[in-house]
Amino acid sequence: GIQVEQSPPDLILQEGANSTLRCNFSDSVNNLQWFHQNPWGQLINLFYIPSGTKQNGRLSATTVATERYSLLYISSSQTTDSGVYFCAVVRWETSGSRLTFGEGTQLTVNP
Amino acid sequence: DAGVTQSPTHLIKTRGQQVTLRCSPKSGHDTVSWYQQALGQGPQFIFQYYEEEERQRGNFPDRFSGHQFPNYSSELNVNALLLGDSALYLCASSVPRALLLYGYTFGSGTRLTVV
Repeated sequence: GIQVEQSPPDLILQEGANSTLRCNFSDSVNNLQWFHQNPWGQLINLFYIPSGTKQNGRLSATTVATERYSLLYISSSQTTDSGVYFCAVVRWETSGSRLTFGEGTQLTVNP
Repeated sequence: DAGVTQSPTHLIKTRGQQVTLRCSPKSGHDTVSWYQQALGQGPQFIFQYYEEEERQRGNFPDRFSGHQFPNYSSELNVNALLLGDSALYLCASSVPRALLLYGYTFGSGTRLTVV
């Protein structure tokens, strides 16, 4: 099956710093989602971005499908950005679809 | 507009017992997928239900089974619980025809502890 690798596994920042999280995937995909998992376990969708660039406030994401990677940028980080960030890819099949997740990046933003 | 709701939020069971977890999809969604997330790992796909049938299945034993009801809600059943089944179980709903636009929406999960 498709493999998804995220880096770095852990990231510690001071409030106000910028960061870049990377997601590499091993095969072509139909869609890609970035999630933020809060301390209570809920996965919050940040972006669905099979290709191109999207921005939402201090967050932006870029997917280069031909080179099989995606980047999540966090600018002017805040303590509330802390948590685990997951990248997940989708491959459609005739029977349905599934998300394949990476292992996540644990982000800690200190005040 | 209610999102994906899961119940219960927490559950403690004994080895060998059986458990049922429940999920109501987001309004307008007709497809439900279940994922298992062990501590410190990414979620792993268990199976997906659409039109009351299991459409896809991940690498999980037959002890894991499910059901989808006519109102699109779903249940996940796990028999003969093992200590290794302790995890956060996440439900996601979607609309196959609109995946590119809306992606998957996840519930808050059920945290299962097997003792």
